[in-house]
Amino acid sequence: SYELTQPPSVSVSPGQTASITCSGDKLGNKYASWYQQKPGQSPLLVIYENNKRPSGIPERFSGSNSGNTATLTISGTQAMDEADYYCQTWAGTVVFGGGTRLTVL
Amino acid sequence: EVQLVETGGGLIQPGGSLRLSCAVSGFTVSSNYMSWVRQAPGKGLEWVSVIYSGGNTYYAASVKGRFTISRDNSKNTLNLQMNSLRAEDTAVYYCARETIPAAGTVWFGPWGQGTLVTVSS
Repeated sequence: SYELTQPPSVSVSPGQTASITCSGDKLGNKYASWYQQKPGQSPLLVIYENNKRPSGIPERFSGSNSGNTATLTISGTQAMDEADYYCQTWAGTVVFGGGTRLTVL
Repeated sequence: EVQLVETGGGLIQPGGSLRLSCAVSGFTVSSNYMSWVRQAPGKGLEWVSVIYSGGNTYYAASVKGRFTISRDNSKNTLNLQMNSLRAEDTAVYYCARETIPAAGTVWFGPWGQGTLVTVSS
Protein backbone atom coordinates (compact mmCIF):
# COMPACT_ATOMS: atom_id res chain seq x y z
CA SER A 1 0.00 0.00 0.00
CA TYR A 2 1.09 3.57 -0.67
CA GLU A 3 2.63 5.51 2.21
CA LEU A 4 3.31 9.18 2.87
CA THR A 5 6.08 10.04 5.31
CA GLN A 6 6.27 13.30 7.26
CA PRO A 7 8.76 14.41 9.91
CA PRO A 8 7.13 14.18 13.36
CA SER A 9 8.08 17.72 14.26
CA VAL A 10 9.40 20.97 12.81
CA SER A 11 10.37 24.08 14.74
CA VAL A 12 10.56 27.63 13.44
CA SER A 13 11.12 31.07 14.89
CA PRO A 14 8.40 33.69 14.48
CA GLY A 15 8.74 35.56 11.20
CA GLN A 16 10.90 32.85 9.63
CA THR A 17 10.00 30.35 6.92
CA ALA A 18 8.78 26.87 7.87
CA SER A 19 9.01 23.97 5.45
CA ILE A 20 7.15 20.72 6.07
CA THR A 21 7.91 17.80 3.78
CA CYS A 22 5.83 14.83 2.72
CA SER A 23 7.55 11.94 0.94
CA GLY A 24 6.11 9.17 -1.16
CA ASP A 25 7.08 7.08 -4.16
CA LYS A 26 6.78 9.29 -7.27
CA LEU A 27 4.57 11.66 -5.27
CA GLY A 28 5.37 14.38 -7.81
CA ASN A 29 3.23 12.46 -10.31
CA LYS A 30 0.25 12.81 -8.01
CA TYR A 31 -1.62 15.70 -6.44
CA ALA A 32 -1.00 16.64 -2.81
CA SER A 33 -3.23 18.44 -0.36
CA TRP A 34 -2.39 19.84 3.07
CA TYR A 35 -4.47 20.25 6.23
CA GLN A 36 -3.88 22.27 9.38
CA GLN A 37 -5.24 20.97 12.67
CA LYS A 38 -5.02 22.99 15.86
CA PRO A 39 -5.55 21.32 19.25
CA GLY A 40 -9.17 20.37 19.82
CA GLN A 41 -10.22 21.48 16.34
CA SER A 42 -11.10 19.70 13.13
CA PRO A 43 -8.71 19.75 10.14
CA LEU A 44 -8.71 22.74 7.82
CA LEU A 45 -7.71 22.51 4.16
CA VAL A 46 -4.84 24.94 3.47
CA ILE A 47 -3.47 23.69 0.13
CA TYR A 48 -5.02 21.53 -2.61
CA GLU A 49 -3.76 20.31 -5.98
CA ASN A 50 -0.17 20.85 -4.85
CA ASN A 51 -0.16 24.64 -4.72
CA LYS A 52 -3.67 26.11 -4.68
CA ARG A 53 -5.01 27.98 -1.66
CA PRO A 54 -8.68 27.83 -0.70
CA SER A 55 -10.47 31.09 -0.14
CA GLY A 56 -9.56 32.59 3.20
CA ILE A 57 -6.17 30.91 3.56
CA PRO A 58 -3.38 33.49 3.97
CA GLU A 59 -0.89 33.98 1.14
CA ARG A 60 1.96 32.96 3.44
CA PHE A 61 0.88 29.35 2.89
CA SER A 62 2.22 27.79 -0.31
CA GLY A 63 2.89 24.33 -1.66
CA SER A 64 5.02 22.51 -4.18
CA ASN A 65 5.38 18.93 -5.34
CA SER A 66 8.19 17.37 -7.34
CA GLY A 67 10.01 14.07 -7.51
CA ASN A 68 9.20 12.13 -4.37
CA THR A 69 8.47 15.10 -2.11
CA ALA A 70 5.65 17.57 -1.57
CA THR A 71 6.43 20.60 0.56
CA LEU A 72 4.24 22.96 2.53
CA THR A 73 5.93 26.31 3.04
CA ILE A 74 4.79 28.93 5.52
CA SER A 75 6.48 32.27 4.99
CA GLY A 76 6.65 34.76 7.84
CA THR A 77 5.39 32.13 10.28
CA GLN A 78 3.14 33.43 13.02
CA ALA A 79 2.35 32.03 16.45
CA MET A 80 -1.15 31.22 15.23
CA ASP A 81 0.34 28.80 12.68
CA GLU A 82 1.43 26.42 15.44
CA ALA A 83 -0.51 23.23 14.69
CA ASP A 84 -0.35 19.72 13.28
CA TYR A 85 -0.10 19.54 9.51
CA TYR A 86 -1.12 16.55 7.39
CA CYS A 87 -0.43 15.85 3.74
CA GLN A 88 -2.83 13.75 1.66
CA THR A 89 -2.92 12.25 -1.80
CA TRP A 90 -4.84 9.77 -3.90
CA ALA A 91 -3.18 6.45 -4.69
CA GLY A 92 -6.11 4.26 -5.59
CA THR A 93 -7.51 5.24 -2.22
CA VAL A 94 -7.15 8.27 0.00
CA VAL A 95 -3.80 8.34 1.82
CA PHE A 96 -2.83 10.68 4.65
CA GLY A 97 0.65 11.30 5.98
CA GLY A 98 1.33 10.72 9.65
CA GLY A 99 1.36 14.42 10.47
CA THR A 100 3.94 17.02 11.50
CA ARG A 101 3.72 19.16 14.61
CA LEU A 102 4.86 22.68 13.84
CA THR A 103 6.19 24.55 16.84
CA VAL A 104 6.72 28.30 16.65
CA LEU A 105 9.26 29.38 19.25
CA GLU B 1 -23.23 29.50 6.22
CA VAL B 2 -21.80 26.05 5.66
CA GLN B 3 -21.97 23.82 8.73
CA LEU B 4 -21.50 20.10 9.41
CA VAL B 5 -22.53 18.72 12.80
CA GLU B 6 -21.81 15.13 13.79
CA THR B 7 -23.78 13.31 16.46
CA GLY B 8 -24.13 9.76 17.74
CA GLY B 9 -20.77 9.06 19.31
CA GLY B 10 -20.34 7.49 22.70
CA LEU B 11 -19.05 4.53 24.68
CA ILE B 12 -19.87 1.13 23.22
CA GLN B 13 -18.75 -2.39 24.08
CA PRO B 14 -16.69 -4.44 21.62
CA GLY B 15 -18.98 -6.19 19.16
CA GLY B 16 -21.63 -3.52 19.52
CA SER B 17 -23.20 -1.17 16.99
CA LEU B 18 -23.45 2.60 16.71
CA ARG B 19 -24.93 4.98 14.16
CA LEU B 20 -23.34 8.33 13.49
CA SER B 21 -25.08 11.20 11.76
CA CYS B 22 -23.81 14.39 10.17
CA ALA B 23 -26.32 17.18 9.68
CA VAL B 24 -25.29 19.51 6.88
CA SER B 25 -26.41 23.05 6.19
CA GLY B 26 -25.25 25.38 3.44
CA PHE B 27 -25.03 22.80 0.68
CA THR B 28 -26.88 19.68 -0.49
CA VAL B 29 -25.49 16.33 0.65
CA SER B 30 -26.94 14.41 -2.27
CA SER B 31 -25.22 16.67 -4.82
CA ASN B 32 -21.78 16.16 -3.32
CA TYR B 33 -19.29 13.45 -2.46
CA MET B 34 -19.41 13.00 1.32
CA SER B 35 -16.87 11.16 3.46
CA TRP B 36 -16.09 9.99 6.95
CA VAL B 37 -12.54 10.39 8.23
CA ARG B 38 -11.45 9.23 11.68
CA GLN B 39 -8.64 10.06 14.05
CA ALA B 40 -7.63 7.75 16.87
CA PRO B 41 -6.58 9.51 20.09
CA GLY B 42 -3.20 11.16 19.57
CA LYS B 43 -2.89 9.70 16.08
CA GLY B 44 -3.23 10.83 12.47
CA LEU B 45 -6.11 10.97 10.04
CA GLU B 46 -7.57 7.85 8.43
CA TRP B 47 -10.10 7.91 5.61
CA VAL B 48 -13.05 5.59 6.35
CA SER B 49 -15.71 5.82 3.66
CA VAL B 50 -17.26 7.92 0.89
CA ILE B 51 -20.63 8.12 -0.81
CA TYR B 52 -20.70 9.65 -4.26
CA SER B 53 -23.47 11.89 -5.50
CA GLY B 54 -24.56 9.05 -7.75
CA GLY B 55 -24.87 6.74 -4.77
CA ASN B 56 -21.74 4.60 -5.15
CA THR B 57 -20.07 3.82 -1.85
CA TYR B 58 -16.47 2.88 -0.99
CA TYR B 59 -14.78 1.81 2.23
CA ALA B 60 -11.35 1.48 3.76
CA ALA B 61 -10.24 -2.13 4.02
CA SER B 62 -10.22 -1.82 7.83
CA VAL B 63 -13.99 -1.23 7.99
CA LYS B 64 -15.32 -2.92 4.86
CA GLY B 65 -18.13 -5.32 5.68
CA ARG B 66 -18.71 -3.75 9.10
CA PHE B 67 -19.53 -0.10 8.33
CA THR B 68 -22.22 1.25 6.00
CA ILE B 69 -22.38 4.81 4.74
CA SER B 70 -25.69 6.30 3.67
CA ARG B 71 -27.51 9.60 3.36
CA ASP B 72 -30.98 10.89 4.11
CA ASN B 73 -31.81 13.37 1.38
CA SER B 74 -34.95 14.61 3.13
CA LYS B 75 -32.89 15.62 6.17
CA ASN B 76 -29.71 16.58 4.26
CA THR B 77 -27.82 14.21 6.51
CA LEU B 78 -24.92 11.79 6.13
CA ASN B 79 -24.90 8.60 8.21
CA LEU B 80 -22.44 5.90 9.20
CA GLN B 81 -23.74 2.62 10.59
CA MET B 82 -20.95 0.88 12.49
CA ASN B 83 -21.35 -2.79 13.41
CA SER B 84 -19.05 -5.33 15.04
CA LEU B 85 -17.07 -2.55 16.63
CA ARG B 86 -13.53 -3.19 17.81
CA ALA B 87 -11.22 -1.39 20.21
CA GLU B 88 -9.21 -0.15 17.24
CA ASP B 89 -12.27 1.70 15.94
CA THR B 90 -11.95 4.10 18.88
CA ALA B 91 -11.53 7.54 17.32
CA VAL B 92 -13.03 10.91 16.64
CA TYR B 93 -15.13 10.56 13.50
CA TYR B 94 -15.36 13.55 11.18
CA CYS B 95 -17.68 14.02 8.25
CA ALA B 96 -16.33 16.09 5.38
CA ARG B 97 -17.17 17.03 1.85
CA GLU B 98 -14.88 15.27 -0.58
CA THR B 99 -14.01 17.08 -3.80
CA ILE B 100 -12.86 15.05 -6.81
CA PRO B 101 -12.64 17.44 -9.78
CA ALA B 102 -10.80 14.92 -11.93
CA ALA B 103 -9.27 11.48 -11.71
CA GLY B 104 -6.29 11.43 -9.41
CA THR B 105 -7.05 14.49 -7.34
CA VAL B 106 -9.14 14.64 -4.18
CA TRP B 107 -9.36 16.88 -1.16
CA PHE B 108 -11.58 17.36 1.89
CA GLY B 109 -13.37 20.40 3.20
CA PRO B 110 -15.28 21.67 4.99
CA TRP B 111 -15.14 19.34 8.00
CA GLY B 112 -17.46 18.88 10.94
CA GLN B 113 -16.29 19.20 14.54
CA GLY B 114 -16.21 15.43 15.02
CA THR B 115 -17.84 12.95 17.38
CA LEU B 116 -15.91 10.61 19.67
CA VAL B 117 -16.51 6.88 19.52
CA THR B 118 -14.98 4.81 22.31
CA VAL B 119 -15.06 1.03 22.03
CA SER B 120 -14.26 -0.50 25.38
CA SER B 121 -15.62 -2.99 27.89
